[in-house]
Amino acid sequence: GEDVEQSLFLSVREGDSSVINCTYTDSSSTYLYWYKQEPGAGLQLLTYIFSNMDMKQDQRLTVLLNKKDKHLSLRIADTQTGDSAIYFCALVFSGGYNKLIFGAGTRLAVHP
Amino acid sequence: EPEVTQTPSHQVTQMGQEVILRCVPISNHLYFYWYRQILGQKVEFLVSFYNNEISEKSEIFDDQFSVERPDGSNFTLKIRSTKLEDSAMYFCASSEHRSSAHYGYTFGSGTRLTVV
Repeated sequence: GEDVEQSLFLSVREGDSSVINCTYTDSSSTYLYWYKQEPGAGLQLLTYIFSNMDMKQDQRLTVLLNKKDKHLSLRIADTQTGDSAIYFCALVFSGGYNKLIFGAGTRLAVHP
Repeated sequence: EPEVTQTPSHQVTQMGQEVILRCVPISNHLYFYWYRQILGQKVEFLVSFYNNEISEKSEIFDDQFSVERPDGSNFTLKIRSTKLEDSAMYFCASSEHRSSAHYGYTFGSGTRLTVV
């Protein structure tokens, strides 16, 4: 079935890199997304990657995709306190009308 | 930047009452969705809607739930007889295409529903 798994919590020191990991079950996913949710706020699209790409870089964000292992990661360089949020991996699985399936979210805590 | 607007931001209702959650999708978007997030849990798909009918729905979306696009701009989620376990944050989303890679799905800021 459709499933997306994430570790629930990550704590990093300000200025360090953060790596948030995600694994999924459906190898036919075409688009893979990272969403950010700040406290009390909605879901903000952070970045996305096509399944035919291995890596995408967008300023401080690097997305890595390993299709063989069905593993997606988000690296945040020079992590700042403003990056503290919950990060959701989300996939569009094949079939139907391509609904988004979310992971449980990784809570990133950035400390001085 | 275009936004998906949801109202109210917070609604408290008594168990057994009907609630209507409202959403105004982005104007040129054709696909509409409702998701919910029970506190501390995953964001779960409820329903997708296209061309004035439900495209897909999850097991959660039972007979107590219904969606409607009553006019050209609003998209509503109705819960007929609320239960305590319906307490959650409800997110509306819209997309221009079935698989909108460049923009993903644009989400609203959510309605927090509290059933007491």
